[in-house]
Amino acid sequence: QQQVKQSPQSLIVQKGGISIINCAYENTAFDYFPWYQQFPGKGPALLIAIRPDVSEKKEGRFTISFNKSAKQFSLHIMDSQPGDSATYFCAATPMEYGNKLVFGAGTILRVKS
Amino acid sequence: NAGVTQTPKFRVLKTGQSMTLLCAQDMNHEYMYWYRQDPGMGLRLIHYSVGEGTTAKGEVPDGYNVSRLKKQNFLLGLESAAPSQTSVYFCASSSLNWGGLTDTQYFGPGTRLTVL
Repeated sequence: QQQVKQSPQSLIVQKGGISIINCAYENTAFDYFPWYQQFPGKGPALLIAIRPDVSEKKEGRFTISFNKSAKQFSLHIMDSQPGDSATYFCAATPMEYGNKLVFGAGTILRVKS
Repeated sequence: NAGVTQTPKFRVLKTGQSMTLLCAQDMNHEYMYWYRQDPGMGLRLIHYSVGEGTTAKGEVPDGYNVSRLKKQNFLLGLESAAPSQTSVYFCASSSLNWGGLTDTQYFGPGTRLTVL
């Protein structure tokens, strides 16, 4: 049972375009939603994260949009660059003792130059 | 700071063999985690530890054991490897922030394990 559903599985975007990756969750106890970026042969690295008390968080070209009522959140990459080509994982956890992240299945992003 | 390191980077085992994966962190983090990554399934938590001498089961603990004898090290053991344990294994660590809430998880580079 996948508690965090991520789509699409793969995405091809032209350089300069907007990349959008969506995630949905069921567990209402989740209250911390990070996105991780993973390059081939490397471990995942935190990209950006949001708490449900805000509906949007922006860091440079990366924005998380959060819809608490719909239990959905998404990552938007503006002005996508070839260097953004990587696998992106959404995740969720209750911010309790232990911080046990539940990951989505991942999205392979390719930005064409 | 080396961050989170994992050894070995690659390993091939035969069914029934045993091995131990070592994770080390130099950030003085309280929490450590072991994940496995399989295509189309994201990362799944195997076991985790909230401090030296403590361990707990994650989502997919069967067939694995762990130990946290020192704060900086977290070992993952496979007693009798099976082909279903072919995967990429990642270790991560995190600290507690001021509010008592856990912080960013920092991941190691991974160990690619193949069980024949």
